[in-house]
Amino acid sequence: DAGVTQSPTHLIKTRGQQVTLRCSPKSGHDTVSWYQQALGQGPQFIFQYYEEEERQRGNFPDRFSGHQFPNYSSELNVNALLLGDSALYLCASSLRTGRVAFFGQGTRLTVV
Amino acid sequence: AQSVTQLGSHVSVSEGALVLLRCNYSSSVPPYLFWYVQYPNQGLQLLLKYTSAATLVKGINGFEAEFKKSETSFHLTKPSAHMSDAAEYFCAVVNSGGSNYKLTFGKGTLLTVNP
Repeated sequence: DAGVTQSPTHLIKTRGQQVTLRCSPKSGHDTVSWYQQALGQGPQFIFQYYEEEERQRGNFPDRFSGHQFPNYSSELNVNALLLGDSALYLCASSLRTGRVAFFGQGTRLTVV
Repeated sequence: AQSVTQLGSHVSVSEGALVLLRCNYSSSVPPYLFWYVQYPNQGLQLLLKYTSAATLVKGINGFEAEFKKSETSFHLTKPSAHMSDAAEYFCAVVNSGGSNYKLTFGKGTLLTVNP
């Protein structure tokens, strides 16, 4: 049973660029959430997607956007990258109730 | 609003000793509570969860936690630490119902196990 998979595992981008991160949910799950984990901190909720729509959003600027596809996979897009966007980005999947989340290995984004 | 406080950013124990990681939460509605473990350069692995059934929950790798509503606590314990338990541990809370699906995490506790 495949768990949550994320790609790429590492990424280096320059300030001002745009980035797309990808996530495939655990088999049987239809809901995907994204979290940002800065160094030495706990994860912070970015948003959650269900039925291809953003169901809930955390306190992140509009530069952060996402998408969910009919196969439930998801993308996180970040525009106009800032140095402060450097972090581990975690994808979590769950059933539609959205309460019990299983996480992927994360994508380490470094902005230089 | 929800919040999680993990007391002690760093806990150090000897191999074979009791592990106790503390978590207190604040929630205006009945919560679900979780403990996750994170090994270096990896994602989060679910250790155990409280979802309003038994208040004493058992998880993987010999860990367990007890939900105490009166104390708003969900402390994580393991009777005997193993070297492989060295990692960062996160406590998290989410609403058990309604339209708020956001997991709120504590800042984490780094567990060191000494030989």
